[in-house]
Amino acid sequence: GAGVSQSPRYKVAKRGQDVALRCDPISGHVSLFWYQQALGQGPEFLTYFQNEAQLDKSGLPSDRFFAERPEGSVSTLKIQRTQQEDSAVYLCASSPGGGEGGLFGPGTRLTVT
Amino acid sequence: GENVEQHPSTLSVQEGDSAVIKCTYSDSASNYFPWYKQELGKGPQLIIDIRSNVGEKKDQRIAVTLNKTAKHFSLHITETQPEDSAVYFCAASEGSGTYKYIFGTGTRLKVLA
Repeated sequence: GAGVSQSPRYKVAKRGQDVALRCDPISGHVSLFWYQQALGQGPEFLTYFQNEAQLDKSGLPSDRFFAERPEGSVSTLKIQRTQQEDSAVYLCASSPGGGEGGLFGPGTRLTVT
Repeated sequence: GENVEQHPSTLSVQEGDSAVIKCTYSDSASNYFPWYKQELGKGPQLIIDIRSNVGEKKDQRIAVTLNKTAKHFSLHITETQPEDSAVYFCAASEGSGTYKYIFGTGTRLKVLA
């Protein structure tokens, strides 16, 4: 595709529900990142993949957050037992090699009620 | 860890004037500094970047300067246009790695026609 795509674009979940957010990176991009952006703030790093390997998950806020990229392309960020503080925009980015020049997708806005 | 501060939080300029956004960082090992433009409802878009071995970089109306000694870097936009109105984020790599970025809190730029 022309860019990084994310789905759904908007998600409303009741507190305690599980959600899955999808990222389709640019074809052939080796690196994939997830960031969390709270309202009025800059993005905060969550996790990084190089192909299918999750090389850094130091930014995941709790063990309720889980990310995977099993075939080195599409990635899914899963949040279990959602809490109100999980409400944010979740951004995915990909780059051809390392991290420089990463291209962001439009994000998924998650609202937990 | 790395800490990035960004000023001002809001900036209004008249069309045709220049805009300057400043950031400071704390980790002297940081070596890559991208700038992003984020429009409403969209993901951040990379507009210019600079590496630590370069003091200044220019791309048409946009320039970035880096002072490694003082650990600060700035974005300069000349001849501003209404379409420059957006939120701008600076970021710094965490250490010398290139995949994890620490973002500033953003500057909302408004260009008045």
